[in-house]
Amino acid sequence: DAMVIQNPRYQVTQFGKPVTLSCSQTLNHNVMYWYQQKSSQAPKLLFHYYDKDFNNEADTPDNFQSRRPNTSFCFLDIRSPGLGDAAMYLCATSRDQGILIYGYTFGSGTRLTVV
Amino acid sequence: AQKITQTQPGMFVQEKEAVTLDCTYDTSDPSYGLFWYKQPSSGEMIFLIYQGSYDQQNATEGRYSLNFQKARKSANLVISASQLGDSAMYFCAMRDENDGGTSYGKLTFGQGTILTVHP
Repeated sequence: DAMVIQNPRYQVTQFGKPVTLSCSQTLNHNVMYWYQQKSSQAPKLLFHYYDKDFNNEADTPDNFQSRRPNTSFCFLDIRSPGLGDAAMYLCATSRDQGILIYGYTFGSGTRLTVV
Repeated sequence: AQKITQTQPGMFVQEKEAVTLDCTYDTSDPSYGLFWYKQPSSGEMIFLIYQGSYDQQNATEGRYSLNFQKARKSANLVISASQLGDSAMYFCAMRDENDGGTSYGKLTFGQGTILTVHP
């Protein structure tokens, strides 16, 4: 089945040690998003790619970077994770930004723990 | 800027009863979409139902229906015949065509409502 896959499902990283989370999709959607969701809070958009165009939210810390080498893959890099970066990271895809009838397809998320 | 408000941090319902989860929104864009997602404890975000701002009828999907009152800017989710498996966090979300021209198409979430279904 076409879907959005996030790996790993759970990630434990050391304080300050760079970590990469991955997302792949078989939907051929042109837009990919990364959300951060802390415990019992709403998901917060970090950035998104429209094709190869990168769009950063104004309040996303510089510690967070993203790469999209092709349509299918998108990576979230946390350069120096702090304890406050422990969260669920959700990847989502959408067919096109301007077509409202299409919602997002979410991956299962990666739960990041920083020790 | 768009804003989504869910005023119920938690809701309880008896199995087989109906429950309404509240959602109000604010946007200056005439064209927008409203979504409800379910997030169980496993963390995945499951799409439930969609309502477009120009849709004349309220959306329905199985046991889920959306009570859309455009003038009041509300989009409440109604779950009929609740089941134990409905216990989860529920998010209302909105997407409009041009959110300030920067993150257009961005899906913005409310704070969520935790629903607990009692046997």
